[in-house]
Amino acid sequence: AQKVTQAQTEISVVEKEDVTLDCVYETRDTTYYLFWYKQPPSGELVFLIRRNSFDEQNEISGRYSWNFQKSTSSFNFTITASQVVDSAVYFCALSANNAGNMLTFGGGTRLMVKP
Amino acid sequence: DTAVSQTPKYLVTQMGNDKSIKCEQNLGHDTMYWYKQDSKKFLKIMFSYNNKELIINETVPNRFSPKSPDKAHLNLHINSLELGDSAVYFCASSPAGAIYNEQFFGPGTRLTVL
Repeated sequence: AQKVTQAQTEISVVEKEDVTLDCVYETRDTTYYLFWYKQPPSGELVFLIRRNSFDEQNEISGRYSWNFQKSTSSFNFTITASQVVDSAVYFCALSANNAGNMLTFGGGTRLMVKP
Repeated sequence: DTAVSQTPKYLVTQMGNDKSIKCEQNLGHDTMYWYKQDSKKFLKIMFSYNNKELIINETVPNRFSPKSPDKAHLNLHINSLELGDSAVYFCASSPAGAIYNEQFFGPGTRLTVL
């Protein structure tokens, strides 16, 4: 079985603050992929990033960065200099060999960025 | 040029009715999915189809029946609707097979059962 935990259900920050969203996962597979999706208030699910279990390099894309640490089974997401438009629910998800390519989602973290 | 589309976007119906949600993707993907998002935003896989064949059925009540007339369409039929079926249903698609494939999601269908 696989599981994704996002312990922070809700985070509130003021614009321009940095914020980190935590994600911890469990799987018995050695080959797996981790994803982050964003769900803005409009409701659609927007793909942000994919990372495979063999690549522990951190990734940066503009104000977004991701820190993957296999030793702690974590895949955390940091937004630098947050903006009001970053307000959304963010989901971490896991896909592994034994699960038929289905995504197992965490419970989501609601991020509110106040002006 | 919507990649994954769903109809209707909103569906309000009475308990006990039967309803369908349609999903179409124009990405040429082989695999399609249905997810349910409950009122607490929790997302859970319901079904996965690969080339019109069922791969996953995650202990969904048999009142829910997916139908895939071709690999570009995966419709969801729900019989005898119950209050607990109220949720947002997302269709998704991905290229076949590999676990690394990003899934592309439709806009969601908000189902309200009264």
